[in-house]
Amino acid sequence: GAVVSQHPSWVICKSGTSVKIECRSLDFQATTMFWYRQFPKQSLMLMATSNEGSKATYEQGVEKDKFLINHASLTLSTLTVTSAHPEDSSFYICSARLPGLGLDYEQYFGPGTRLTVT
Amino acid sequence: AQKVTQAQTEISVVEKEDVTLDCVYETRDTTYYLFWYKQPPSGELVFLIRRNSFDEQNEISGRYSWNFQKSTSSFNFTITASQVVDSAVYFCALGLKGYQKVTFGTGTKLQVIP
Repeated sequence: GAVVSQHPSWVICKSGTSVKIECRSLDFQATTMFWYRQFPKQSLMLMATSNEGSKATYEQGVEKDKFLINHASLTLSTLTVTSAHPEDSSFYICSARLPGLGLDYEQYFGPGTRLTVT
Repeated sequence: AQKVTQAQTEISVVEKEDVTLDCVYETRDTTYYLFWYKQPPSGELVFLIRRNSFDEQNEISGRYSWNFQKSTSSFNFTITASQVVDSAVYFCALGLKGYQKVTFGTGTKLQVIP
């Protein structure tokens, strides 16, 4: 089956620094990847849709300059949290869409990255 | 706009009991997909099922079964003879045609007590 990996699985950084999270589709090419954020005991909230070779589409309320998304290849999307603050501490999950015809394409989730900003 | 409601925040059952997790969705689209995911304490989302809006047949997979009823906009999930390993947060989700976005419900935390 399709596998999506994330790196790192957890990271601790100091307030004011930037941290990059990678999302890779290991055995398929993903033209579209999605980034979600999940606060403790809450649901997944879509942050942005990342399309290979073009700018990401951000959801309302998500700061583009703070959460930089780069989808440089068909197997890699990165999320950079710039000038991180403690309120950015969260569980970040990516997913990759398996290309397909019609409506029947799958979306596979990565294992998530737990970010703690001190 | 689409919306997914999981009214049950937490459920506790004793092992071997059956349990049903409720999911009610809202969308004006006629073509859509419904999903259930399991999120164990490790955090990784585990895909359980996908159902498209044109297929109202109920599905059974081992101890899991799903009841999709368009008339009530519900897609309920039943675990039969629950086990401790079923303890997790379960999310119901809705994806629209084109599949660009998936809207998640708030999740139901299931605790199975031995």
